[in-house]
Amino acid sequence: GESVGLHLPTLSVQEGDNSIINCAYSNSASDYFIWYKQESGKGPQFIIDIRSNMDKRQGQRVTVLLNKTVKHLSLQIAATQPGDSAVYFCAERGLYNFNKFYFGSGTKLNVKP
Amino acid sequence: GAVVSQHPSWVICKSGTSVKIECRSLDFQATTMFWYRQFPKQSLMLMATSNEGSKATYEQGVEKDKFLINHASLTLSTLTVTSAHPEDSSFYICSAPARVGAKNIQYFGAGTRLSVL
Repeated sequence: GESVGLHLPTLSVQEGDNSIINCAYSNSASDYFIWYKQESGKGPQFIIDIRSNMDKRQGQRVTVLLNKTVKHLSLQIAATQPGDSAVYFCAERGLYNFNKFYFGSGTKLNVKP
Repeated sequence: GAVVSQHPSWVICKSGTSVKIECRSLDFQATTMFWYRQFPKQSLMLMATSNEGSKATYEQGVEKDKFLINHASLTLSTLTVTSAHPEDSSFYICSAPARVGAKNIQYFGAGTRLSVL
């Protein structure tokens, strides 16, 4: 399958600061990406998505940036809160099955009060 | 939003026994569901695609005789880990796509933690 990886395994931030989580993907033909949040002992939860025809997409307190030139994704969380502590994954949609996703290795976000 | 339910949430079994895990879409129908495996502090690895009314398709390296998948209805897929061994101990998660506006969103179950003694 496609290969999706992350630069940082863990990230610690102070409550109220902004967080940036990075992800690299390998398939330049990939056209759709999702960021998921996974809390301990739970399944992943959809945060935000972006199509390859976009560079940036904003949600509530979250922004995803896509740089197709270097095949890089980032998730920015504004005013990070303790409830944001979790593992974050980027996922890349399969090229031949639009419902199939391949996950990156994950970044654990620790928010210090 | 759409809800995907997994059962059981946690199971302990003896080596050599088989374990069945259920994945249900509670308020929508899913002709396709997906099964993932997740080791501690690692990412989700896609194991197979469960297809309603037909055979599952497995990712490369996943033993189909070891991980039996049945998708007998539009709301239920089951994963059976046959002759389980300690190395099968893992967190198993299912997902199902649901239409939200113009796009399909994957909804995930809460996962099943399997411990094989």
